[in-house]
Amino acid sequence: DAGVIQSPRHEVTEMGQEVTLRCKPISGHNSLFWYRQTMMRGLELLIYFNNNVPIDDSGMPEDRFSAKMPNASFSTLKIQPSEPRDSAVYFCASSLGAGETFFGQGTRLTVV
Amino acid sequence: QQPVQSPQAVILREGEDAVINCSSSKALYSVHWYRQKHGEAPVFLMILLKGGEQKGHDKISASFNEKKQQSSLYLTASQLSYSGTYFCGTAAFGNDMRFGAGTRLTVKP
Repeated sequence: DAGVIQSPRHEVTEMGQEVTLRCKPISGHNSLFWYRQTMMRGLELLIYFNNNVPIDDSGMPEDRFSAKMPNASFSTLKIQPSEPRDSAVYFCASSLGAGETFFGQGTRLTVV
Repeated sequence: QQPVQSPQAVILREGEDAVINCSSSKALYSVHWYRQKHGEAPVFLMILLKGGEQKGHDKISASFNEKKQQSSLYLTASQLSYSGTYFCGTAAFGNDMRFGAGTRLTVKP
Protein backbone atom coordinates (compact mmCIF):
# COMPACT_ATOMS: atom_id res chain seq x y z
CA ASP A 1 0.00 0.00 0.00
CA ALA A 2 1.23 3.51 -0.77
CA GLY A 3 0.26 4.79 2.63
CA VAL A 4 -1.82 7.87 3.33
CA ILE A 5 -1.60 10.21 0.36
CA GLN A 6 -2.04 13.94 0.74
CA SER A 7 -2.11 16.64 -1.88
CA PRO A 8 -0.80 19.14 -2.49
CA ARG A 9 2.47 18.84 -0.54
CA HIS A 10 2.91 22.58 -0.51
CA GLU A 11 0.38 25.35 -0.98
CA VAL A 12 0.98 29.08 -1.02
CA THR A 13 -2.10 31.24 -1.27
CA GLU A 14 -3.20 34.77 -0.66
CA MET A 15 -5.32 35.79 2.27
CA GLY A 16 -9.00 35.47 1.47
CA GLN A 17 -8.61 32.66 -1.02
CA GLU A 18 -10.19 29.25 -0.66
CA VAL A 19 -7.86 26.36 0.06
CA THR A 20 -8.70 22.69 -0.34
CA LEU A 21 -6.49 19.96 1.05
CA ARG A 22 -6.98 16.39 -0.06
CA CYS A 23 -6.40 13.02 1.51
CA LYS A 24 -6.60 9.40 0.43
CA PRO A 25 -6.46 7.07 3.46
CA ILE A 26 -5.00 3.59 3.47
CA SER A 27 -7.37 1.13 1.86
CA GLY A 28 -9.37 -0.75 4.46
CA HIS A 29 -8.91 1.81 7.21
CA ASN A 30 -12.17 3.04 8.70
CA SER A 31 -10.96 6.04 10.70
CA LEU A 32 -9.58 9.24 9.24
CA PHE A 33 -8.10 12.19 11.07
CA TRP A 34 -7.09 15.73 10.21
CA TYR A 35 -4.36 17.30 12.35
CA ARG A 36 -2.73 20.71 12.22
CA GLN A 37 0.84 21.26 13.41
CA THR A 38 2.41 24.58 14.34
CA MET A 39 5.33 25.49 16.55
CA MET A 40 3.06 27.34 18.93
CA ARG A 41 0.23 24.85 19.28
CA GLY A 42 1.85 21.52 18.43
CA LEU A 43 -0.22 18.75 16.86
CA GLU A 44 -3.91 19.58 17.14
CA LEU A 45 -6.73 17.21 16.26
CA LEU A 46 -9.13 19.12 14.03
CA ILE A 47 -11.69 16.45 13.17
CA TYR A 48 -12.00 12.73 12.80
CA PHE A 49 -14.30 10.41 10.90
CA ASN A 50 -15.38 6.84 11.56
CA ASN A 51 -16.81 5.01 8.57
CA ASN A 52 -17.05 8.32 6.68
CA VAL A 53 -19.12 9.96 9.45
CA PRO A 54 -17.69 12.95 11.33
CA ILE A 55 -17.46 11.99 14.99
CA ASP A 56 -15.72 14.91 16.66
CA ASP A 57 -15.13 18.27 15.04
CA SER A 58 -14.56 20.18 18.26
CA GLY A 59 -11.02 20.94 17.16
CA MET A 60 -12.08 22.79 14.03
CA PRO A 61 -11.01 26.33 14.84
CA GLU A 62 -13.71 28.32 13.10
CA ASP A 63 -16.55 28.17 10.66
CA ARG A 64 -14.03 28.95 7.98
CA PHE A 65 -12.88 25.35 8.27
CA SER A 66 -14.91 22.46 6.92
CA ALA A 67 -14.14 18.80 6.24
CA LYS A 68 -15.90 16.16 4.22
CA MET A 69 -15.51 12.47 3.59
CA PRO A 70 -17.80 11.56 0.72
CA ASN A 71 -16.50 7.97 0.56
CA ALA A 72 -14.06 5.63 2.26
CA SER A 73 -11.16 6.59 0.03
CA PHE A 74 -11.26 10.37 -0.02
CA SER A 75 -11.49 13.33 2.33
CA THR A 76 -11.07 17.07 1.99
CA LEU A 77 -10.32 19.88 4.40
CA LYS A 78 -11.39 23.27 3.15
CA ILE A 79 -10.53 26.71 4.47
CA GLN A 80 -12.60 29.59 3.16
CA PRO A 81 -11.54 32.35 3.42
CA SER A 82 -7.95 31.62 4.39
CA GLU A 83 -5.99 33.84 6.79
CA PRO A 84 -2.25 34.13 7.54
CA ARG A 85 -2.76 32.49 10.95
CA ASP A 86 -3.91 29.34 9.15
CA SER A 87 -0.35 28.78 7.97
CA ALA A 88 0.72 25.38 9.28
CA VAL A 89 1.41 21.81 8.27
CA TYR A 90 -1.81 19.86 7.92
CA PHE A 91 -1.61 16.12 8.37
CA CYS A 92 -4.15 13.54 7.39
CA ALA A 93 -3.94 10.18 9.15
CA SER A 94 -5.86 6.93 9.04
CA SER A 95 -6.28 3.82 11.16
CA LEU A 96 -8.26 0.64 11.45
CA GLY A 97 -10.31 1.14 14.56
CA ALA A 98 -8.27 2.33 17.51
CA GLY A 99 -5.04 0.77 16.29
CA GLU A 100 -1.86 2.12 14.80
CA THR A 101 -2.41 5.46 13.10
CA PHE A 102 -0.53 6.16 9.90
CA PHE A 103 0.21 9.73 8.87
CA GLY A 104 0.46 11.22 5.42
CA GLN A 105 3.44 13.39 4.52
CA GLY A 106 1.46 16.53 5.24
CA THR A 107 0.55 19.68 3.36
CA ARG A 108 2.56 22.77 4.21
CA LEU A 109 0.18 25.70 3.86
CA THR A 110 1.40 29.26 3.69
CA VAL A 111 -1.13 32.07 3.58
CA VAL A 112 0.35 35.44 2.65
CA GLN B 1 -7.81 17.26 26.89
CA GLN B 2 -4.27 17.17 25.61
CA PRO B 3 -1.84 14.99 27.57
CA VAL B 4 1.10 16.61 29.31
CA GLN B 5 4.58 15.50 28.38
CA SER B 6 7.82 15.93 30.25
CA PRO B 7 10.55 16.88 29.85
CA GLN B 8 10.23 19.34 26.98
CA ALA B 9 13.72 18.59 25.75
CA VAL B 10 16.52 16.13 26.43
CA ILE B 11 20.12 16.08 25.25
CA LEU B 12 21.98 12.80 25.47
CA ARG B 13 25.29 11.31 24.50
CA GLU B 14 25.21 8.12 22.46
CA GLY B 15 24.69 5.15 24.73
CA GLU B 16 22.85 7.06 27.46
CA ASP B 17 19.29 6.34 28.56
CA ALA B 18 16.24 8.58 28.64
CA VAL B 19 12.70 8.49 29.97
CA ILE B 20 9.83 10.53 28.55
CA ASN B 21 6.65 10.85 30.54
CA CYS B 22 3.07 11.42 29.48
CA SER B 23 0.11 12.05 31.75
CA SER B 24 -3.55 12.73 31.28
CA SER B 25 -6.30 14.15 33.45
CA LYS B 26 -8.83 11.81 31.84
CA ALA B 27 -9.28 8.06 32.03
CA LEU B 28 -7.53 6.57 29.04
CA TYR B 29 -8.37 3.83 26.61
CA SER B 30 -4.99 3.83 24.91
CA VAL B 31 -1.65 5.56 24.64
CA HIS B 32 0.30 5.85 21.40
CA TRP B 33 3.93 6.89 21.01
CA TYR B 34 5.31 8.52 17.86
CA ARG B 35 8.63 9.92 16.75
CA GLN B 36 8.87 12.78 14.30
CA LYS B 37 12.02 13.93 12.55
CA HIS B 38 12.29 17.46 11.23
CA GLY B 39 10.24 17.99 8.09
CA GLU B 40 8.72 14.53 8.21
CA ALA B 41 5.47 12.97 9.37
CA PRO B 42 5.15 11.35 12.80
CA VAL B 43 6.05 7.66 12.72
CA PHE B 44 4.34 5.11 14.93
CA LEU B 45 6.44 3.48 17.65
CA MET B 46 3.96 1.56 19.78
CA ILE B 47 0.47 1.49 21.23
CA LEU B 48 -0.53 0.51 24.75
CA LEU B 49 -4.08 -0.36 25.57
CA LYS B 50 -6.07 -0.14 28.76
CA GLY B 51 -4.97 -2.97 31.00
CA GLY B 52 -1.67 -1.55 32.17
CA GLU B 53 0.71 -3.25 29.81
CA GLN B 54 4.29 -2.73 28.92
CA LYS B 55 5.59 -3.04 25.41
CA GLY B 56 8.89 -2.74 23.70
CA HIS B 57 10.99 -3.45 20.71
CA ASP B 58 14.73 -3.29 20.47
CA LYS B 59 15.91 -0.68 22.96
CA ILE B 60 12.70 1.35 23.07
CA SER B 61 9.95 0.30 25.45
CA ALA B 62 6.95 1.85 27.15
CA SER B 63 4.67 1.31 30.10
CA PHE B 64 1.11 2.36 30.77
CA ASN B 65 -0.27 2.83 34.26
CA GLU B 66 -4.00 2.97 33.73
CA LYS B 67 -4.81 3.92 37.33
CA LYS B 68 -2.49 6.90 37.26
CA GLN B 69 -3.33 7.70 33.64
CA GLN B 70 0.35 7.86 32.89
CA SER B 71 2.69 6.38 30.35
CA SER B 72 6.44 6.43 30.07
CA LEU B 73 8.70 5.82 27.08
CA TYR B 74 12.11 4.31 27.83
CA LEU B 75 15.01 4.69 25.44
CA THR B 76 18.07 2.71 26.41
CA ALA B 77 21.57 2.86 24.96
CA SER B 78 20.49 5.71 22.73
CA GLN B 79 21.67 5.94 19.14
CA LEU B 80 22.06 8.96 16.89
CA SER B 81 19.00 7.78 14.96
CA TYR B 82 16.86 8.25 18.06
CA SER B 83 17.03 12.03 17.68
CA GLY B 84 13.70 13.65 16.95
CA THR B 85 10.58 14.84 18.69
CA TYR B 86 8.60 12.23 20.58
CA PHE B 87 4.86 12.60 20.96
CA CYS B 88 2.46 10.70 23.10
CA GLY B 89 -1.11 10.48 21.88
CA THR B 90 -3.90 9.57 24.22
CA ALA B 91 -7.42 8.42 23.50
CA ALA B 92 -10.24 8.32 26.02
CA PHE B 93 -12.84 6.48 23.96
CA GLY B 94 -11.11 4.72 21.17
CA ASN B 95 -9.59 6.76 18.41
CA ASP B 96 -10.14 10.31 19.60
CA MET B 97 -6.36 10.65 19.84
CA ARG B 98 -4.84 13.90 20.98
CA PHE B 99 -1.16 14.63 21.24
CA GLY B 100 1.05 16.17 23.86
CA ALA B 101 3.36 19.07 23.05
CA GLY B 102 6.25 16.74 22.32
CA THR B 103 9.70 16.07 23.76
CA ARG B 104 12.67 17.06 21.64
CA LEU B 105 15.41 14.45 22.00
CA THR B 106 18.91 15.16 20.74
CA VAL B 107 21.52 12.43 20.76
CA LYS B 108 25.09 13.61 20.30
CA PRO B 109 28.14 11.51 19.40
